[in-house]
Amino acid sequence: ILNVEQSPQSLHVQEGDSTNFTCSFPSSNFYALHWYRWETAKSPEALFVMTLNGDEKKKGRISATLNTKEGYSYLYIKGSQPEDSATYLCAFNNAGNMLTFGGGTRLMVKP
Amino acid sequence: DAGVTQSPTHLIKTRGQQVTLRCSPKSGHDTVSWYQQALGQGPQFIFQYYEEEERQRGNFPDRFSGHQFPNYSSELNVNALLLGDSALYLCASRYWDRGLMGYTFGSGTRLTVV
Repeated sequence: ILNVEQSPQSLHVQEGDSTNFTCSFPSSNFYALHWYRWETAKSPEALFVMTLNGDEKKKGRISATLNTKEGYSYLYIKGSQPEDSATYLCAFNNAGNMLTFGGGTRLMVKP
Repeated sequence: DAGVTQSPTHLIKTRGQQVTLRCSPKSGHDTVSWYQQALGQGPQFIFQYYEEEERQRGNFPDRFSGHQFPNYSSELNVNALLLGDSALYLCASRYWDRGLMGYTFGSGTRLTVV
């Protein structure tokens, strides 16, 4: 059984704050790590697919880093806005056909 | 271009009944996966279909079965429904982009078993 954990479970920040959360995953048989942003009643939106150790990806104010040797990834949001409020999911792919998801981090940004 | 579409969006069933959920993958995507998201948890992999065959299965009982059609659309069937089957069921279609494998998700079907 693959264990993917995300922390914190939930996070409240003020508009303008920068924040980050963590995804930990097995360090063996790594193929890819996916980050999704999921707003209530919508479909999960793919943010990043990361494959290389040391990889860093950026999309606007959101960026992510990857450490496959120690089995963790960080997601950073710079200058949080109310529209960033969502659940952020990471998913580990070990080259099989399945994604193993963490429990998600629920972010709430107060205006 | 429509993304992954799922139907219905919500439904309510009684214990012991059977249910069929439907998914149309994004245009150009030929592989469909199904996930179950129970309240407070991340999505869990049920199974994946490619070329009309089940290719991999997660830790779900045989009451969960599926089908893929020649047009790549898919169905998830659950027999003998239990209260614990109440969840959001997500469908995802797989794509390749510059050598990276990714998944596009639908917005899910909310199943309530009473």
